[in-house]
Amino acid sequence: SQTIHQWPATLVQPVGSPLSLECTVEGTSNPNLYWYRQAAGRGLQLLFYSVGIGQISSEVPQNLSASRPQDRQFILSSKKLLLSDSGFYLCAWSGGAGTEAFFGQGTRLTVV
Amino acid sequence: AQSVTQLGSHVSVSEGALVLLRCNYSSSVPPYLFWYVQYPNQGLQLLLKYTSAATLVKGINGFEAEFKKSETSFHLTKPSAHMSDAAEYFCAVTSPGAAGNKLTFGGGTRVLVKP
Repeated sequence: SQTIHQWPATLVQPVGSPLSLECTVEGTSNPNLYWYRQAAGRGLQLLFYSVGIGQISSEVPQNLSASRPQDRQFILSSKKLLLSDSGFYLCAWSGGAGTEAFFGQGTRLTVV
Repeated sequence: AQSVTQLGSHVSVSEGALVLLRCNYSSSVPPYLFWYVQYPNQGLQLLLKYTSAATLVKGINGFEAEFKKSETSFHLTKPSAHMSDAAEYFCAVTSPGAAGNKLTFGGGTRVLVKP
């Protein structure tokens, strides 16, 4: 069966520090991969998605970047965090067209 | 372009009462529709999905939803609320041609269950 792992679960980082969140998927190949963010009291905002190794599409301009160095690995990064980067970050994967997305357990990021 | 509107950011129901969460979508092509549930500090869990088969879809935990093309709606219901149904619920849409099979989510509805 397929599983998705996302870590860390919680993270407190100072403003201006770098960020690296990692997500890995097991039990499937060539998944579509996604990074979403939930700000407090708001819905899910799609940040990035990837349809293959090295292929990254950005949905919104921001202080973050994403990379997919391996088929089932998706990384969210920042060189210098801002207070506004605080939120709940969710990684997800899906298969072909019309299939549902499966979500990781999320990372609560607090920038102080 | 796709969009989803969930009417009511908060819903309060009594235990044992009907749960009704509203979702309206906009899509230029036949959509695929989903309902997810999220418990505090957790990821999203799929409740049910519509992918152009039966219009009445049954999901987990006693939930069901009906696809109504004429009303562009996909409302979620449960006949009798349980305390464990307290959570946030998200409706989502994608379509056959969506790049990367991206899901577009509604703003969510937080459900409070009163004893």
